[in-house]
Amino acid sequence: ILNVEQSPQSLHVQEGDSTNFTCSFPSSNFYALHWYRWETAKSPEALFVMTLNGDEKKKGRISATLNTKEGYSYLYIKGSQPEDSATYLCAFATGNQFYFGTGTSLTVIP
Amino acid sequence: KAGVTQTPRYLIKTRGQQVTLSCSPISGHRSVSWYQQTPGQGLQFLFEYFSETQRNKGNFPGRFSGRQFSNSRSEMNVSTLELGDSALYLCASSLGTSSSYEQYFGPGTRLTVT
Repeated sequence: ILNVEQSPQSLHVQEGDSTNFTCSFPSSNFYALHWYRWETAKSPEALFVMTLNGDEKKKGRISATLNTKEGYSYLYIKGSQPEDSATYLCAFATGNQFYFGTGTSLTVIP
Repeated sequence: KAGVTQTPRYLIKTRGQQVTLSCSPISGHRSVSWYQQTPGQGLQFLFEYFSETQRNKGNFPGRFSGRQFSNSRSEMNVSTLELGDSALYLCASSLGTSSSYEQYFGPGTRLTVT
């Protein structure tokens, strides 16, 4: 069983702050890295699917980078808003398996 | 476009029974994946079906099985239920194989085994 680690486990930030989280994964057998946002009482929502080393993706105030050689991805949120409060999950895909991290729980304080 | 739907939303079963969960993907999506979410283990991959064929399988016992129909709808079956099978079961659909495409998740089925 592969280990996908996310840090920090939880985070409280003030509205307007920028923040970032880390997802660490094995550097071998890499196929893709997914980021999801999961709000309480809702379903996980896809943010990014990243496949190439050096990939950078952006969606509004949220962006992500990928380093497959060293096995990590960063998710950045610029100018956090209360509606960004959610658990952010990364998932490492080997091509025939998905391994999810345990998530980073973000709370944005108004 | 209608989202991914799962039925039933809640289910209570007794140990030893079997259960079938259903997932209807977004129209046009050919891949359906199933996940189990428990407080202790987080989100774990069960299996993926693509064009009616099981493409991938996670590390779960053979009691967990599934199938996909020609209209891409999928069912998941768990036989001989154990207390540890109590979990939220999520399905997700994607346009192509789940590794490469964004997955769209359903609301989940909450299974309680007593």
